[in-house]
Amino acid sequence: GAVVSQHPSRVICKSGTSVKIECRSLDFQATTMFWYRQFPKQSLMLMATSNEGSKATYEQGVEKDKFLINHASLTLSTLTVTSAHPEDSSFYICSARADRLNSPLHFGNGTRLTVT
Amino acid sequence: DAKTTQPNSMESNEEEPVHLPCNHSTISGTDYIHWYRQLPSQGPEYVIHGLTSNVNNRMASLAIAEDRKSSTLILHRATLRDAAVYYCILSPGPNSGYALNFGKGTSLLVTP
Repeated sequence: GAVVSQHPSRVICKSGTSVKIECRSLDFQATTMFWYRQFPKQSLMLMATSNEGSKATYEQGVEKDKFLINHASLTLSTLTVTSAHPEDSSFYICSARADRLNSPLHFGNGTRLTVT
Repeated sequence: DAKTTQPNSMESNEEEPVHLPCNHSTISGTDYIHWYRQLPSQGPEYVIHGLTSNVNNRMASLAIAEDRKSSTLILHRATLRDAAVYYCILSPGPNSGYALNFGKGTSLLVTP
């Protein structure tokens, strides 16, 4: 089945530093990938839509200069949390859908970010 | 976006069938009904999706009302491993450009 790999699974960083999270579709190509964020005991919130070869589309209230998204190939998207602060601590999850009709969305296993 | 309504939580005994309801009275004609589940500290997992007809796969069955204003996810024999939050989501279509917007879902507790 389709697999989305996300790395790292956990990261702890100091306030003010930047963290990069990678999302790879291992056995399919994905023109579009999606980044979500989930706070404890809450549902997933869509942050942005990542498009291969073009700029990402951010949801309202998500700062594009803070959450940098790069989708350089059909199998890789990265999310960089810049100048992280403790309030950015969260569970970040990426997802991708194969570029064919009727394909479901597949999710990575998430990255637990803790900013100290 | 068309919204869905699910019970906050449900409980089931192991090895018994589970029927998870979802109401979507404002569904449009092109909306697909998707079901995902999320185990603790993991990303969501695809369960099943459908448009009008009932659907079956190795994980579950999806029963869609004739007027499409509600659907039911059926787990035929619940196991402890099925304890998760189940999300019923509408999407304009299974094309690559559409994200899924998650609601609060139903937290399923399975007891031995």
